[in-house]
Amino acid sequence: DVKVTQSSRYLVKRTGEKVFLECVQDMDHENMFWYRQDPGLGLRLIYFSYDVKMKEKGDIPEGYSVSREKKERFSLILESASTNQTSMYLCASRAGSPYPLLARINEQFFGPGTRLTVL
Amino acid sequence: AQSVTQPDIHITVSEGASLELRCNYSYGATPYLFWYVQSPGQGLQLLLKYFSGDTLVQGIKGFEAEFKRSQSSFNLRKPSVHWSDAAEYFCAVVFTGGGNKLTFGTGTQLKVEL
Repeated sequence: DVKVTQSSRYLVKRTGEKVFLECVQDMDHENMFWYRQDPGLGLRLIYFSYDVKMKEKGDIPEGYSVSREKKERFSLILESASTNQTSMYLCASRAGSPYPLLARINEQFFGPGTRLTVL
Repeated sequence: AQSVTQPDIHITVSEGASLELRCNYSYGATPYLFWYVQSPGQGLQLLLKYFSGDTLVQGIKGFEAEFKRSQSSFNLRKPSVHWSDAAEYFCAVVFTGGGNKLTFGTGTQLKVEL
């Protein structure tokens, strides 16, 4: 059974703290993604990675960074948490393909999410 | 600009009734189209997808969706809703010229009355 796990379901942090959100997948997928989900806004892409040590900005990268040192693990980092980063964070992974266009139709598998509250 | 619109924020249906959730996209070419469902406290699960061929696609849990190029739509349907279908539904699109990412609609929250 395919699995994407996230290190915490709920997290409470204070303004200015450095926050690490961890995501692990066991499907040997090349692509991994971080989204934030807010009511009325749907899911918005923060960063994604298509290979180890590779990353690309999504639609809302400001205030975030990422790390992918191993294929199975993709970390989201909030360097200095702020209250407007209170949100649900979802990680996803997707298989790659020798044909980039075909990779886009592969299913993204999502983790259960981390609800982060910044006080 | 490329966008995905789900015009209904909330929908309430009675159990056993039919369901249609709307999704429209703004794009010149045919994108790749997906519907995901998010049950309370869960991550997203893929219901179905369309990328070519037959414009009526069947998915899991008895759902289907129809791609209509002329209307730039990909509406999700189910003939008879079950109480367990109560969830949030997201339409998502990969624009073929848009790189590697899914663009999501804002979601439709489905409530099922018993």
